[in-house]
Amino acid sequence: GESVGLHLPTLSVQEGDNSIINCAYSNSASDYFIWYKQESGKGPQFIIDIRSNMDKRQGQRVTVLLNKTVKHLSLQIAATQPGDSAVYFCAETLGNNNDMRFGAGTRLTVKP
Amino acid sequence: KAGVTQTPRYLIKTRGQQVTLSCSPISGHRSVSWYQQTPGQGLQFLFEYFSETQRNKGNFPGRFSGRQFSNSRSEMNVSTLELGDSALYLCASSQGTPGELFFGEGSRLTVL
Repeated sequence: GESVGLHLPTLSVQEGDNSIINCAYSNSASDYFIWYKQESGKGPQFIIDIRSNMDKRQGQRVTVLLNKTVKHLSLQIAATQPGDSAVYFCAETLGNNNDMRFGAGTRLTVKP
Repeated sequence: KAGVTQTPRYLIKTRGQQVTLSCSPISGHRSVSWYQQTPGQGLQFLFEYFSETQRNKGNFPGRFSGRQFSNSRSEMNVSTLELGDSALYLCASSQGTPGELFFGEGSRLTVL
């Protein structure tokens, strides 16, 4: 059959504003979640992770929130910069392996 | 510390041929995972190797295979190439599981 391309959600923000990227994960048994950033022509780059026994974790300029009740993950980026422009993926996994299930991704564009 | 190195970066094959892609993980990393990235399906898990053993496998046909050597370097092979195998093939290494995946820049395969 015809293959349909993934429709990437997009988010456009002004430089200096805060960004919030959302992700709905699929498996209620998943116990480890990661956010990755992928710039054009590069492989995904780790941003921040969180385990299922937490609901919030902060890094440098980034915060991940986990709501297990509704299987929702969000990534907050403070004071967004042009260098933050990229596609952002959430990923989930279960157990002790690296079989990560990636979301479709969100394209973040930062306007100067 | 050198990152994950994938070779070749770009290659073009024709239908029916086979291809071998190589991945050198970060020194000390024993887990190597392979992912396929396409506009239509996004990032999909192929397989993971740990200490020369395939630990987990995604939902891909048997034409996709891999192996890991004693120095943790890994190769993946795709036989009887199809047009739909055109994709960016990403290798990622990690220390523990589940753990932060360090991705290479990928091998972009085009099948004509």
